Amino acid sequence: GEDVEQSLFLSVREGDSSVINCTYTDSSSTYLYWYKQEPGAGLQLLTYIFSNMDMKQDQRLTVLLNKKDKHLSLRIADTQTGDSAIYFCAEAQRNTPLVFGKGTRLSVIA
Amino acid sequence: GAVVSQHPSWVICKSGTSVKIECRSLDFQATTMFWYRQFPKQSLMLMATSNEGSKATYEQGVEKDKFLINHASLTLSTLTVTSAHPEDSSFYICSARSRGPNTGELFFGEGSRLTVL
Repeated sequence: GEDVEQSLFLSVREGDSSVINCTYTDSSSTYLYWYKQEPGAGLQLLTYIFSNMDMKQDQRLTVLLNKKDKHLSLRIADTQTGDSAIYFCAEAQRNTPLVFGKGTRLSVIA
Repeated sequence: GAVVSQHPSWVICKSGTSVKIECRSLDFQATTMFWYRQFPKQSLMLMATSNEGSKATYEQGVEKDKFLINHASLTLSTLTVTSAHPEDSSFYICSARSRGPNTGELFFGEGSRLTVL
């Protein structure tokens, strides 16, 4: 079946950039997502990218997609303490449910 | 953006009772809703896919008689945990996909934390 892999932990200093990486196995993935989950809360959609794109930028967030390597990354510029959370990578085809990675816990050190 | 509302946010119940969790799309019609379960410090596990007007499709290992899903309208899906036991304690999250063939966005509710005593 489909699989999405992420590193479990990332620690950065406030003001630095964070890069969270994700790999997936399903070559027919149409959409790739990044969600943020704060403690005890649901999921907040940060951004998503279509598989025919290789980059998407939205304010401090930059998503890079290497479809050949099935590699997705999320870069957060000028990381703040409020960015501390778990970040989930997910993939889906057009009408299928999302397949999630295990999440990367981002800790921002002041 | 689109909003998905879950109710209740928190529920504590006694073992053996049933609990119903509602998932509503507030400003869009959702032909498909998904129910996920999240254990502490773990990722989301898909439980079932709910399509309006038809029976839900359950993932392998999920008891359909235990977790009853009803998708009665284009804006409401419910998950009923029947005869709940402590091992059913978890964070349940629904998501909804809006109508339209070209949309890829999936919107999530804030989740419902169930504690079974």
